[in-house]
Amino acid sequence: AQSVTQPDIHITVSEGASLELRCNYSYGATPYLFWYVQSPGQGLQLLLKYFSGDTLVQGIKGFEAEFKRSQSSFNLRKPSVHWSDAAEYFCAVGPSSNTGKLIFGQGTTLQVKP
Amino acid sequence: DTEVTQTPKHLVMGMTNKKSLKCEQHMGHRAMYWYKQKAKKPPELMFVYSYEKLSINESVPSRFSPECPNSSLLNLHLHALQPEDSALYLCASSGVGAGNQPQHFGDGTRLSIL
Repeated sequence: AQSVTQPDIHITVSEGASLELRCNYSYGATPYLFWYVQSPGQGLQLLLKYFSGDTLVQGIKGFEAEFKRSQSSFNLRKPSVHWSDAAEYFCAVGPSSNTGKLIFGQGTTLQVKP
Repeated sequence: DTEVTQTPKHLVMGMTNKKSLKCEQHMGHRAMYWYKQKAKKPPELMFVYSYEKLSINESVPSRFSPECPNSSLLNLHLHALQPEDSALYLCASSGVGAGNQPQHFGDGTRLSIL
């Protein structure tokens, strides 16, 4: 079955510290992978996506993610976290031949300590 | 600034009321989506429109009725809703075809059913 697992429900980091949010997927075909961020009271904003090519993907707001096929992972990283990064983060996987069928992970809540 | 505009931002209605949610985008996207999101949960896909035709209905109860009058507008008509329908309703749009997954989300309408 297709699924996305975000093992960490809640993460707290200090401002200025590095961040890694984990994402593992189970998918039969070549996946399209996404990270979204949702701030309180807002919709989802696309941080980055991986379709093919270079397995290290750069996104907005200083985020990057690395696709590791052997580990079925697509972890999100940021070298130095800012207080404004506190939000809900969703990893998602989509099929290569259908529109709209995104499978979301359960999300990771990021809290940033001053 | 979000490129997908949803109105109203908040809506409170009784179980016998009829109301509509509206979504508008001017990015030339030909796929539009409705999602339902409960607190601390990922979005759940409800409907997908592709070239103004309904392409996916995720077994949504008939008290939710989508409409896509043109390529820029998407409506969700609500009637006889239940308290469990209280949630954040998100609209999204994207290009059509492989890899063109939902990338642009509105900020949502927060719906409360009395």
